[in-house]
Order: sequence, then structure tokens, then C-alpha cells
Amino acid sequence: RKEVEQDPGPFNVPEGATVAFNCTYSNGASQSFFWYRQDCRKEPKLLMSVYSSGNEDGRFTAQLNRASQYISLLIRDSKLSDSATYLCVVNIYNNDMRFGAGTRLTVKP
Amino acid sequence: EAGVAQSPRYKIIEKRQSVAFWCNPISGHATLYWYQQILGQGPKLLIQFQNNGVVDDSQLPKDRFSAERLKGVDSTLKIQPAKLEDSAVYLCASTPGAGQNYGYTFGSGTRLTVV
Repeated sequence: RKEVEQDPGPFNVPEGATVAFNCTYSNGASQSFFWYRQDCRKEPKLLMSVYSSGNEDGRFTAQLNRASQYISLLIRDSKLSDSATYLCVVNIYNNDMRFGAGTRLTVKP
Repeated sequence: EAGVAQSPRYKIIEKRQSVAFWCNPISGHATLYWYQQILGQGPKLLIQFQNNGVVDDSQLPKDRFSAERLKGVDSTLKIQPAKLEDSAVYLCASTPGAGQNYGYTFGSGTRLTVV
């Protein structure tokens, strides 16, 4: 089993749609979790951290389920500019981050 | 604040040649990471430094890859000799320390093509 697994995608959605990505992780002792966004031929950039109680940043909502070892990212009211690859990241220990393969999102007019 | 600087941006070499990449982290960041990202995959950690000491190099192919961070600031990653499967983007990242909740700041990466 991979350390971090994500929905394979690609997701193609119209503008204004709501889309959700899931990610599962294998190490139950993982301490912290993040979502990164990566645009084509660019470096990954931190989108948001994921907290145990769930957290929201504008149109983006992240959830963590430690019992089931998965995290999710919900994007509401999708914009064309949300088109990117979304990487699930799990901090195994001492800032040793493990990345998922990413889920590609395309938002269409 | 200045970001993580990497050079070169692109490099094309023939297999069996050598190549070196350079990274300068954000000022004051003690922890520096090198990642390899193959097309279609997520980044994979190669090596983590805390100041000038190696914290984790378990996934570094030590027969051909080496890295150093002599003065605890900038770092170089070397591949000698290169193989076709080394074609990837090499990303450098830094964090203030090795705590649990730091998100990474990545440099723009070096895109290596081995032909």
C-alpha cells in the first residue's frame, strides 16, 4: 500500500461546480497534513493545512478523519483559475513529508 | 522575504555525464530538503538537512547521488553518472526548523533531461 494515495482524476468540472478530492494515508502516527497546489511546470505551493477539527479558507474546506486515515479537500464555486494539480501531503515524522501523486482538476467555462 | 533560489532552471545532459544543482534556502531556515519529481508523480524526498547535518537520506541513491550543505546555508545536489531515469524536476525546499507543522516553501526547481 502506498503511503499516500489520492483519487486518480482527472476531474473536469464546469465553472461554479463543487468538487471534492480524497486522500488516504497508511501511517497512523502521522502528525500533520496539508494540501498543496501545483500549476503546470511550476513548483508546489502550500494551499492549506488540515486541522483535526476541519478548517475552511474561503471556497476551500479541508477535513481530516484520523480514525479512517483520510483527508479531503472541497472546492466550492469552482473558478477557471482553480485548474491545477492538487497534492495531498502527510507529515510522517519530523517534517518528513510524503506526497501523493496528485489529482488533476480542470475547470471549464 | 526572498524565496528559495535554485539554479539552473533547466539542464540537458547525456547519460553517464555529471550534473550539479544549487539551492539557497530562505534566510534563517535551518532545514533544507531536496525532492525529485518525476513527471506524473508527486515529489519524493531525497535528502533532508538540519543545518549542515543530514537528518534523512534513506531514499537517496547513494551510488550516484550526493548532496552537501557545508556551512548550513546553501546546498548542492550532484548526480554522477546520470541515467535516463534521472530525468525529473529537482525541487529544493526549506523550513525554519524540523517541527511538525511547517509547510514547505519550494524553489522553482531544476528540470533535468537526460538523453
